[in-house]
Amino acid sequence: SQELEQSPQSLIVQEGKNLTINCTSSKTLYGLYWYKQKYGEGLIFLMMLQKGGEEKSHEKITAKLDEKKQQSSLHITASQPSHAGIYLCGADHGNKLVFGAGTILRVKS
Amino acid sequence: GAGVSQSPSNKVTEKGKDVELRCDPISGHTALYWYRQSLGQGLEFLIYFQGNSAPDKSGLPSDRFSAERTGGSVSTLTIQRTQQEDSAVYLCASRRIGSEYNEQFFGPGTRLTVL
Repeated sequence: SQELEQSPQSLIVQEGKNLTINCTSSKTLYGLYWYKQKYGEGLIFLMMLQKGGEEKSHEKITAKLDEKKQQSSLHITASQPSHAGIYLCGADHGNKLVFGAGTILRVKS
Repeated sequence: GAGVSQSPSNKVTEKGKDVELRCDPISGHTALYWYRQSLGQGLEFLIYFQGNSAPDKSGLPSDRFSAERTGGSVSTLTIQRTQQEDSAVYLCASRRIGSEYNEQFFGPGTRLTVL
């Protein structure tokens, strides 16, 4: 089984709707990254969380790390077509990031 | 400033040939990472360079894969005797160790296709 499990695997939402992507770790997280990837492009950094209970927001995207530091969620408010892409969570091991399988998001206009 | 750059952006090669992929990290970033992204395997760590320390090669899938980093800057990933299962997008990332945000910045990747 993977160290990081992401859910859902894919998601189609109507423009303007809210959505949440989850990332669950089998180990305590010491640093959890969220990246976004468009097809054929590199990874775009969204946010990094380190402390239990931490929450960060950027524009319409909010990421949270639970108190036990084993689960993170990414919430998008009022989704737009520009939010479409693959969302990846990554656990920081210092020498590397271990990634989840990703969540594919499509936003219908 | 410039981000992480990689070349070539696309590479098509025949099975059995050797390929070299290049990564130019962000200036001043001492840590450099190589990852591979393929269907069914997701994003996998390959190798990590940090300053003058010995690289962490624990993610390299076979001895056909090697990487070096010259002068603490540019890195080259070499795949010898390529196989079809080597087809993937190879991503490079760099990081400023000790920075407040500790973010890994990724390059656009090299898409390798082995025929």
